[in-house]
Amino acid sequence: QVTLKESGPVLVKPTETLTLTCTVSGFSLSNARMGVSWIRQPPGKALEWLAHISSNDEKSYSTSLKSRLTISKDTSKSQVVLTMTNLDPVDTATYYCSTWTKWGQGTLVTVSS
Amino acid sequence: DIVMTQSPLSLPVTLGQPASISCRSSQSLVYSDGNTYLNWFQQRPGQSPRRLIYKVSNRDSEVPDRFSGSGSGTDFTLKISRVEAEDVGVYYCMQGTYRPYTFGQGTKLEIK
Repeated sequence: QVTLKESGPVLVKPTETLTLTCTVSGFSLSNARMGVSWIRQPPGKALEWLAHISSNDEKSYSTSLKSRLTISKDTSKSQVVLTMTNLDPVDTATYYCSTWTKWGQGTLVTVSS
Repeated sequence: DIVMTQSPLSLPVTLGQPASISCRSSQSLVYSDGNTYLNWFQQRPGQSPRRLIYKVSNRDSEVPDRFSGSGSGTDFTLKISRVEAEDVGVYYCMQGTYRPYTFGQGTKLEIK
């Protein structure tokens, strides 16, 4: 059974860096066609795609956030990590990781001093 | 970036009646391999999104057959043949043909 679970800080201060971890089970991150994306959703707003990492380690990013995002994976730990620099209150959102067929439960990150 | 435009943004529907959501992309979503990577997601209140439809018209497992997807090129439609109470939520289209991937604004389905 494929599952994904996001983890990371609940509260981050403005200008700080956010590091989120997606721990997957039921599949290997090295399996072909098993890429993982990060998506966020500000409270009451729409979904926004952030970044994707493919099984062959190809990475892609949101155009508007590209300069602030880094996605990576540790296959041995079954983890995909997203870092976002220079946080602002507008980055307050629930952050999801997903293979598209499966989604994590999401983790709410609040940016506030 | 490809812009995905959904309509309507709010959709009040009577139980048992059909519903239809439109999604238009700013350019054709046909990929070089011949496939069109247009997905539909459902997000029920308080839940994570769930994919309903992939590659325009393919239903994911355990998705009721009252959900169907159609379309081509830049125009796509999600249809619910008979709306049930459990269908309340927000529906998003998303293109996966080109990076960066992009979502529509979402359509909120509610029961009249």
